[in-house]
Amino acid sequence: DIVMTQSPLSLPVTPGEPASISCRSSQSLLHSNGHNYLDWYVQKPGQSPQLLIFLGSSRASGVPDRFSGSGSGSSFTLRISRVEAEDVGVYYCMQALQRPTFGGGTRVEIK
Amino acid sequence: QVQLVELGGGVVQPGRSLRLSCAASGFFFSNHAMHWVRQAPGKGLEWVAVVWNDERNENYVDSVKGRFTISRDNSKNIVYLQMNSLRVEDTAIYYCARGKKAAKYYYGVDVWGQGTTVTVSS
Repeated sequence: DIVMTQSPLSLPVTPGEPASISCRSSQSLLHSNGHNYLDWYVQKPGQSPQLLIFLGSSRASGVPDRFSGSGSGSSFTLRISRVEAEDVGVYYCMQALQRPTFGGGTRVEIK
Repeated sequence: QVQLVELGGGVVQPGRSLRLSCAASGFFFSNHAMHWVRQAPGKGLEWVAVVWNDERNENYVDSVKGRFTISRDNSKNIVYLQMNSLRVEDTAIYYCARGKKAAKYYYGVDVWGQGTTVTVSS
C-alpha cells in the first residue's frame, strides 16, 4: 500500500496569514492520464470530513478560492492564502490511485 | 440535495456480526462507486471498502478482508457493510461516502454521511 506522510502535525496560524501543509507519498500518484490522484479533505470539529481539493489541484464545489493545491508525482502542498477562523480543523491528504490511504492529518488551530 | 444516511451502528461483542446500511438520495446512485471509511476514537481516517457502480467489483483494506463484505442495491439506493468476526480494533465511526466521478479508476470521494458508531467490546 502507498504510505502518505503529512507535515506538520500541528499548525498554529494567525487569521489573515497564509498557511501550507505538505504531503508526500511513497510512490508516484501521477496516472498515465496526466492527473495526480491526490485529494485533500478537512474535518472540522464535530463534523464529517469534506472534500477540498481533488486530483491534486482542482477545488471542489463551494470551496473558497483561498484554498489551493499543487504538486505532482509524490510531493504535494495545500495552501490557504489567508486563514480564517472557520478553517480550524484537521486536514488530510489521501491518495486515490489505489486502495486509498490517508496521511496522518494536520491540525490547524488559531493562535 | 445529495444525502447519505448511515444506520446500523451499535455495541457488539468481539466475534459477533453487525450490518451497516447507507441510504442515498439526491443523485443518480447507480452512476457512482460507494465507499466506507472509518475513524477510530481520537484517530485519523482509514478507508475500508469500495463497491463500484456495476455492483460486482469490490475492494477492501487488508485488515477487514475475509471478514467484511460491501454490497449495494441499486434498485433501493442503499449500500451495505456486513461486518463479521468483529474485533475490538474495529471500534470506530463508520462513514459512507460517494465516489467522485472525476477520472478513470479514481478512488476519490466527494460526499460523506454523518457516520454511525460501532463499538466492539465485551
